[in-house]
Amino acid sequence: QQQVKQSPQSLIVQKGGISIINCAYENTAFDYFPWYQQFPGKGPALLIAIRPDVSEKKEGRFTISFNKSAKQFSLHIMDSQPGDSATYFCAASIGDNYGQNFVFGPGTRLSVLP
Amino acid sequence: EAGVAQSPRYKIIEKRQSVAFWCNPISGHATLYWYQQILGQGPKLLIQFQNNGVVDDSQLPKDRFSAERLKGVDSTLKIQPAKLEDSAVYLCASSSRSSGANVLTFGAGSRLTVL
Repeated sequence: QQQVKQSPQSLIVQKGGISIINCAYENTAFDYFPWYQQFPGKGPALLIAIRPDVSEKKEGRFTISFNKSAKQFSLHIMDSQPGDSATYFCAASIGDNYGQNFVFGPGTRLSVLP
Repeated sequence: EAGVAQSPRYKIIEKRQSVAFWCNPISGHATLYWYQQILGQGPKLLIQFQNNGVVDDSQLPKDRFSAERLKGVDSTLKIQPAKLEDSAVYLCASSSRSSGANVLTFGAGSRLTVL
């Protein structure tokens, strides 16, 4: 129940195309769903996040779509650029008085071809 | 603000040897996390501190792993004795209520290779 499933494992997109990464969870107690971007040799960095009270959040070229009933959420990268080539992790967390308890998906390696 | 500092960046040891990793979180961040990231996988929580107290260490292999955050600031993660399967990147992250308790800031990680 604490797992977050993520697909695809890897993705190759042409420059200018749309990249879509999907995640699914089981635990309905999760109340925060971030996406992290990780470049080789670096730690993950927060990209965008959503709470379950909204169905979509957009920041620039990045959009999260959230389907509470299906317990699924996805990341859409519009106009994908070679600089977006990285590994993307979805995550889910439950908040308490001590902060958030995060569970990460296995990651999607995105390659954007020039 | 300065980021999360970790050292060493790389460490190669033989199995059964010991190793220690150090983390200095962002100043003022009360919550500190240690994650293990095996190649090709997502980060897995090892231990979470709130100030100098342990909040969650349920996934820490306590027979060989230990961690401390004595003064509620920097932290040390130790592995003794190391096994081949401990080869991974050890990520430290921190967060605070004032900057958003749900925003983790990660360090660059310490890559461990056990031979």
